[in-house]
Amino acid sequence: NAGVTQTPKFRVLKTGQSMTLLCAQDMNHEYMYWYRQDPGMGLRLIHYSVGEGTTAKGEVPDGYNVSRLKKQNFLLGLESAAPSQTSVYFCASSYSGTSGIYNEQFFGPGTRLTVL
Amino acid sequence: RKEVEQDPGPFNVPEGATVAFNCTYSNSASQSFFWYRQDCRKEPKLLMSVYSSGNEDGRFTAQLNRASQYISLLIRDSKLSDSATYLCVVTRYGQNFVFGPGTRLSVLP
Repeated sequence: NAGVTQTPKFRVLKTGQSMTLLCAQDMNHEYMYWYRQDPGMGLRLIHYSVGEGTTAKGEVPDGYNVSRLKKQNFLLGLESAAPSQTSVYFCASSYSGTSGIYNEQFFGPGTRLTVL
Repeated sequence: RKEVEQDPGPFNVPEGATVAFNCTYSNSASQSFFWYRQDCRKEPKLLMSVYSSGNEDGRFTAQLNRASQYISLLIRDSKLSDSATYLCVVTRYGQNFVFGPGTRLSVLP
């Protein structure tokens, strides 16, 4: 099993350009997440999904959109990139929790994005 | 105040040393607690869950103090391979994981 994969691994954008980050998992997980990680800030949740066809906002959703058309894929879009979106982006997935308690999150290797 | 705070670090310790990290959380409704490990330029990976009674996994011991709202991680007999950033993670029913900023550990030969 590949686990959680992310495409691309690196990307450089100019301000105003758009792009889509792809996350795929082969563990049949219900839940998927997009985080960004900045120095000294820890991981911050951008958007998440609790199942195919559903998405919800996290802590820092502005400037991003997501879609979960297939259970195994979770896409993160930047419509008009800004330098403040320079970061490392991690995708994660987890089993649906029992009694509402989330289980272990499995992370992808990350995408390093620079916006000039 | 951040919801999850950790020792700022970095911690530089010699091989074989015992090192302890602390983490505090602000929401008393928090229910589940974890320690994740993140190697340089890599993704976070689960190190261990933290149970109310405390738990041990080899050289690693996690403790939870609900009254004081803090979690600790103790590493005994440090190895070079323990060098990483340790992330404290807190969650509660119906809510998402909240990650602390991490504490970096360097184990020196």
